[in-house]
Amino acid sequence: GESVGLHLPTLSVQEGDNSIINCAYSNSASDYFIWYKQESGKGPQFIIDIRSNMDKRQGQRVTVLLNKTVKHLSLQIAATQPGDSAVYFCAEKYSSASKIIFGSGTRLSIRP
Amino acid sequence: NAGVMQNPRHLVRRRGQEARLRCSPMKGHSHVYWYRQLPEEGLKFMVYLQKENIIDESGMPKERFSAEFPKEGPSILRIQQVVRGDSAAYFCASSPEEGTGVMPQHFGDGTRLSIL
Repeated sequence: GESVGLHLPTLSVQEGDNSIINCAYSNSASDYFIWYKQESGKGPQFIIDIRSNMDKRQGQRVTVLLNKTVKHLSLQIAATQPGDSAVYFCAEKYSSASKIIFGSGTRLSIRP
Repeated sequence: NAGVMQNPRHLVRRRGQEARLRCSPMKGHSHVYWYRQLPEEGLKFMVYLQKENIIDESGMPKERFSAEFPKEGPSILRIQQVVRGDSAAYFCASSPEEGTGVMPQHFGDGTRLSIL
């Protein structure tokens, strides 16, 4: 069944601060994880991914951390900007499978 | 999201009618996936297709729903005899040939289906 969940449904952050969005997954067989950003009225936009043989991966202003021991995934956004306002989904996949399993999402809002 | 094209963006149908949703994958992508999203929820996998083949339809209801990805033209998700519970946003994603690795799926902006 669906196994990816998020700790917090909403997150409010001061503009310029760092944002941390957390995610728990329950299937230890998953070996590929993705973070998507979804703005209102649009489809999910790929942000960053990480494979299970890594514990950290950095992109532009974003970092994903993977802790396989506790089955935890996090997305860190540095210097949060108004344009970062969106719903963020973590997702998992088995590399041999076709489907992505999405979590229920965290809504990130930015305070000016 | 501009690479994966879905149309129409909005579709209104009355109960009992048919809905046809179209998806053109990104250039060079031969794998297409359909997902459904209810308000305030994550996306749920429905079906995975390659050209002329359905690879995994484990998430698609057994009745009234069908999908195809012909040799020429877009992928089509077809819902027959629609009911109110079919109201949702339907997203298409595509990826290139996966080979032995994993590739992120890139999504279109969806079709919002409303059933009156």
